[in-house]
Amino acid sequence: RKEVEQDPGPFNVPEGATVAFNCTYSNSASQSFFWYRQDCRKEPKLLMSVYSSGNEDGRFTAQLNRASQYISLLIRDSKLSDSATYLCVVNVFNFNKFYFGSGTKLNVKP
Amino acid sequence: DGGITQSPKYLFRKEGQNVTLSCEQNLNHDAMYWYRQDPGQGLRLIYYSQIVNDFQKGDIAEGYSVSREKKESFPLTVTSAQKNPTAFYLCASSQDRVGSPLHFGNGTRLTVT
Repeated sequence: RKEVEQDPGPFNVPEGATVAFNCTYSNSASQSFFWYRQDCRKEPKLLMSVYSSGNEDGRFTAQLNRASQYISLLIRDSKLSDSATYLCVVNVFNFNKFYFGSGTKLNVKP
Repeated sequence: DGGITQSPKYLFRKEGQNVTLSCEQNLNHDAMYWYRQDPGQGLRLIYYSQIVNDFQKGDIAEGYSVSREKKESFPLTVTSAQKNPTAFYLCASSQDRVGSPLHFGNGTRLTVT
């Protein structure tokens, strides 16, 4: 079983739509959670950390459900520029390891 | 501005040659990492280092070697023993505390023919 699993998509949505991604993780000792954005042929860039109480940054909302071991990312009012691959990343600090999902591809269309 | 610098951006080598990828950071981070990404796939950990003069193998260390002589620098050598070296290589660093994210360099795209 993979440490972190994501639906690869692609999610094809029109501009202005709301879209949500989920990500499940297998290690209950995981302590830190992140969403990264990766554009084609570029490095991943931190979109947001995910906190236990949930957090929001503009059009982006992240939530963590420790009981069910999943995190989610909600994007409201999608823009063309949101088209990218979104990576779910989980950290097990004691082992100083970061585990990556394989990414969910989002295409926002005019 | 603080950050991670990888060089070169593109690298071409003949099969059988060793090649070294550079990674330098000025973020004062203790931990540094090397990942490999193949087309359409996720990131796989090659090596990581939590402190100077110490490093650990990741999931796919065979055919690679690293050194950590300085806190700022974590070069990766792709040896001729690596069977499929063509890939996108990403260096990253993080602070040594819970909740610290990874910061990535802009990557080196290696092509071996």
